[in-house]
Amino acid sequence: AQSVTQLGSHVSVSEGALVLLRCNYSSSVPPYLFWYVQYPNQGLQLLLKYTTGATLVKGINGFEAEFKKSETSFHLTKPSAHMSDAAEYFCAVSDTSYGKLTFGQGTILTVHP
Amino acid sequence: DAMVIQNPRYQVTQFGKPVTLSCSQTLNHNVMYWYQQKSSQAPKLLFHYYDKDFNNEADTPDNFQSRRPNTSFCFLDIRSPGLGDAAMYLCATSNAGGHTEAFFGQGTRLTVV
Repeated sequence: AQSVTQLGSHVSVSEGALVLLRCNYSSSVPPYLFWYVQYPNQGLQLLLKYTTGATLVKGINGFEAEFKKSETSFHLTKPSAHMSDAAEYFCAVSDTSYGKLTFGQGTILTVHP
Repeated sequence: DAMVIQNPRYQVTQFGKPVTLSCSQTLNHNVMYWYQQKSSQAPKLLFHYYDKDFNNEADTPDNFQSRRPNTSFCFLDIRSPGLGDAAMYLCATSNAGGHTEAFFGQGTRLTVV
């Protein structure tokens, strides 16, 4: 079975500061990994994904993530936080057949002026 | 724009009164999913359709059913809603294979009174 653990249910940063959201996964097969963002009362929007190839993945809105197999991690980073980044972020792993997603518990990002 | 559309955005239903949520897509994806997201929790997969093949998650209550009359539409039926079924219901679509991302609708927030 696949699983995802997000360390830190709440992260608070100042505007302009580095954003680091942590995600560790468990999978018996090479994983497909995703980061989604959710604004209040909205659906989920894809930030980025890792399937194969380059382990450093760039996404939308200046976010990137690095797949580290040895650490079973897929942490999300952004060099400089913006107020509009305040939202909830979900890391997810997909099965290889039907794209069924297993999500981590989510991390709420707060950005202070 | 191609997208996933859920109707209604907000639904209030009475305890025990059947309710149907709808989802449509213009992406022509072969897989459609229904996720349940309770307050402050991660989305949890209820079931998915691969074309016309219905696949129920093992722990999805019998109270939840789904229909997919054609490629574009999928419905979630809750036969006898209880207070514990109050949640955001998210519809998503993808092409099978796991390496392609899921596209989510805006969600339907269900309130049970």
